[in-house]
Amino acid sequence: DTGVSQDPRHKITKRGQNVTFRCDPISEHNRLYWYRQTLGQGPEFLTYFQNEAQLEKSRLLSDRFSAERPKGSFSTLEIQRTEQGDSAMYLCASSPTRGWDTEAFFGQGTRLTVV
Amino acid sequence: KQEVTQIPAALSVPEGENLVLNCSFTDSAIYNLQWFRQDPGKGLTSLLLIQSSQREQTSGRLNASLDKSSGRSTLYIAASQPGDSATYLCAVIGGTDKLIFGTGTRLQVFP
Repeated sequence: DTGVSQDPRHKITKRGQNVTFRCDPISEHNRLYWYRQTLGQGPEFLTYFQNEAQLEKSRLLSDRFSAERPKGSFSTLEIQRTEQGDSAMYLCASSPTRGWDTEAFFGQGTRLTVV
Repeated sequence: KQEVTQIPAALSVPEGENLVLNCSFTDSAIYNLQWFRQDPGKGLTSLLLIQSSQREQTSGRLNASLDKSSGRSTLYIAASQPGDSATYLCAVIGGTDKLIFGTGTRLQVFP
């Protein structure tokens, strides 16, 4: 296992189009997180899963955003009717479980540009 | 609501200097604190994880300390090298079960 994998690495789309990103976590990690990062800022939490259950969604996640993690393995993040303000780096992370000893590992991210 | 602050926002130093990066957080009820490195346009690489019961962690030239009661952590980089140039982010995780990040310190080490 080589770590958290995200696909695609880059996506350019026209405003109004739908896009979908994929994240493959480290195997056996039951926690999976999605973050968004804009230039010069730290990552902002979007949502996370414990196995296949989506436990929390940020208020940043509008109705146009949806995330799934079928069977508790890979996850997808879909953005419908993209807007220029959606342009950002979308980061995925996984960790073994909750608690004091859990280290989170991030993927290389998907850079989204909405034109 | 947990807030994480990092100072300085940017730092430029000559090679060989020892550095201290600062991170502060407002809610001391955390499980752990994690330091990350981010190269331009890339994802995050985990550097060090400090559990809430620990005071410090070391990895090579990096040493991170944690003072939970005062809401502070420092990342010490010894004998800095140009390859250390990157943005350094700290993040805490607490009862909300998600990492809360600071805005990072952008480090430039010049030869």
